[in-house]
Amino acid sequence: EAEVAQSPRYKITEKSQAVAFWCDPISGHATLYWYRQILGQGPELLVQFQDESVVDDSQLPKDRFSAERLKGVDSTLKIQPAELGDSAMYLCASRGTSGNEQFFGPGTRLTVL
Amino acid sequence: SQQGEEDPQALSIQEGENATMNCSYKTSINNLQWYRQNSGRGLVHLILIRSNEREKHSGRLRVTLDTSKKSSSLLITASRAADTASYFCAKHSGYALNFGKGTSLLVTP
Repeated sequence: EAEVAQSPRYKITEKSQAVAFWCDPISGHATLYWYRQILGQGPELLVQFQDESVVDDSQLPKDRFSAERLKGVDSTLKIQPAELGDSAMYLCASRGTSGNEQFFGPGTRLTVL
Repeated sequence: SQQGEEDPQALSIQEGENATMNCSYKTSINNLQWYRQNSGRGLVHLILIRSNEREKHSGRLRVTLDTSKKSSSLLITASRAADTASYFCAKHSGYALNFGKGTSLLVTP
């Protein structure tokens, strides 16, 4: 069964360092989402791609966060510099052209020390 | 912003009992979706109900939608220990999903 892949699964870094997360959506899924989930909360959308184009990045802290999906397939989310408040689970999801269901990856748990 | 808000925040029941969790939202929707998240994992889609539907079933799950009250409920019948997870409602708005804070369900043997 096709799945959304994410790496790394866990990342520990010190504040002011740079971190990057990778996501490979289900093959053929044109829409890709990055969410941030703080412990005890629901996921909050950071950025949405349609193919290689950004559809919505209104909640992305652009002073330190960046996201790209250069070839419209896999995607990278970067934080530079990381801050203590960035500690969270970063989830990637993808959606196909039919239906509204989103398929989530296992997430990357980021801890900033 | 978090659009769907679940109630209760936490629920503890015994195996075999039914679990009901509720979700309220603020603005009009095209559809409302329920997701499950096991501890430390990604979310899994459970069921979608459209704004013109009032009830939907999937296995042991029953979802209702009352657009006049802007609320939805998820019923899990004959719960099992494996149902232990967090459950989120998500309002489909424009391009993306807006999730609530979730209900944490604990099912004890």
